[in-house]
Amino acid sequence: EVVVTQSPGTLSLSPGERATLSCRASQSVFLSQIAWYQQKPGQAPRLLIYGASSRATGVPDRFSGSGSETDFTLTISRLEPEDFAVYHCQQYGSSRTFGQGTRVEIK
Amino acid sequence: QPQLQESGPGLVKPSETLSLTCTVSGGSITNRNYYWGWIRQPPGKGLEWIGSIYYSGSTFYNPSLESRVTISVDTSKNQISLRVRSVTAADTAVYYCARGEDQLMKLGTFDYWGQGSLVTVSS
Repeated sequence: EVVVTQSPGTLSLSPGERATLSCRASQSVFLSQIAWYQQKPGQAPRLLIYGASSRATGVPDRFSGSGSETDFTLTISRLEPEDFAVYHCQQYGSSRTFGQGTRVEIK
Repeated sequence: QPQLQESGPGLVKPSETLSLTCTVSGGSITNRNYYWGWIRQPPGKGLEWIGSIYYSGSTFYNPSLESRVTISVDTSKNQISLRVRSVTAADTAVYYCARGEDQLMKLGTFDYWGQGSLVTVSS
């Protein structure tokens, strides 16, 4: 099983700041098949990024994804109030596994 | 846009079978451009993929759950079903059904989700 580890567990930032979230896989992810989801309290996850760097439909361009092999990053260029949430990384190159999530909270 | 709605018992006894149904509106579950899946989230924890089913009827399961899980479709009702046998407290979670798009780089992701259904395993 490909283990996905996200860091940090919690990120405390202010609106307008840049957020950098890390996702590391225990082995190289086939075709960089990494997705990122945003989840707000009491809601289902929302797909943000697939294929490591492609934005899903309707996702603002302040969200960007990058990386390859085992190391991937989600960057939010300037945090808006609605961006404070939990972010999940998923690999789907070999079966499907998720990380434990990174919480982005207001500092 | 499709809408997905999970339904089923909120409380299941240990060793029994958990059964959930996902009703899809706004699109046919037989559309070959999409597949359907179940994902769960224990309280306060991360997401866990349970399995997926494709328009052909093919199913793929999380290896850690495969021996206890069955996913099926009822095309006449536009529904997807989940059964988890021999449940324990570790199966307590919010269970989501979701849709994915059958495109190469999206195959494995989920772009539309139901609101989720909390299932508690307890005697």
